[in-house]
Amino acid sequence: DTEVTQTPKHLVMGMTNKKSLKCEQHMGHRAMYWYKQKAKKPPELMFVYSYEKLSINESVPSRFSPECPNSSLLNLHLHALQPEDSALYLCASSQMGAVGPKNIQYFGAGTRLSVL
Amino acid sequence: GQQLNQSPQSMFIQEGEDVSMNCTSSSIFNTWLWYKQDPGEGPVLLIALYKAGELTSNGRLTAQFGITRKDSFLNISASIPSDVGIYFCAGLNSGGSNYKLTFGKGTLLTVNP
Repeated sequence: DTEVTQTPKHLVMGMTNKKSLKCEQHMGHRAMYWYKQKAKKPPELMFVYSYEKLSINESVPSRFSPECPNSSLLNLHLHALQPEDSALYLCASSQMGAVGPKNIQYFGAGTRLSVL
Repeated sequence: GQQLNQSPQSMFIQEGEDVSMNCTSSSIFNTWLWYKQDPGEGPVLLIALYKAGELTSNGRLTAQFGITRKDSFLNISASIPSDVGIYFCAGLNSGGSNYKLTFGKGTLLTVNP
């Protein structure tokens, strides 16, 4: 099983709204990731959590706030977003290891976010 | 920083034809990955390569990890309509706290029935 589940599938929000994206995996992976993807572009890394602690923040604006409540869950809290933040938001997870299959990232289907 | 050059950017082929795409890097990676992404979905892993020179197949797909560790190619044989999508290569150097994938810009594949 290599399933990463993301909810909701689609989200429309106004610039004053607060919403959250959710991601869940039950593969025992200890690294989880948030990516942002614009149409026909590769995913861009936003955050990395390892062992439930934030290890990488790619200079993401503070209107995006990640949270890792436990080893299976990853949230992305959204507040005061801009229209240019509209994109596909992808969650991924991986084991952690030096080399080899442990570091392969498996992606969820994403949340399509539209900011009006 | 590291960059991957993926080519071609797009391909239009007839069903049944073979396809080849490749990625090159200015620096080495210790893992190469190939993903396919359908519209509105997340990237799905096709093939993972861990050793320089490694040649790996997955059904009609074949991929190789270049000897120099700076390149990889993906071949698709006898293409079918469901092969349509965007194919991304990705390089990975893991260790410590660094698990960052470096993606190519993608190859958009269109298959005409």
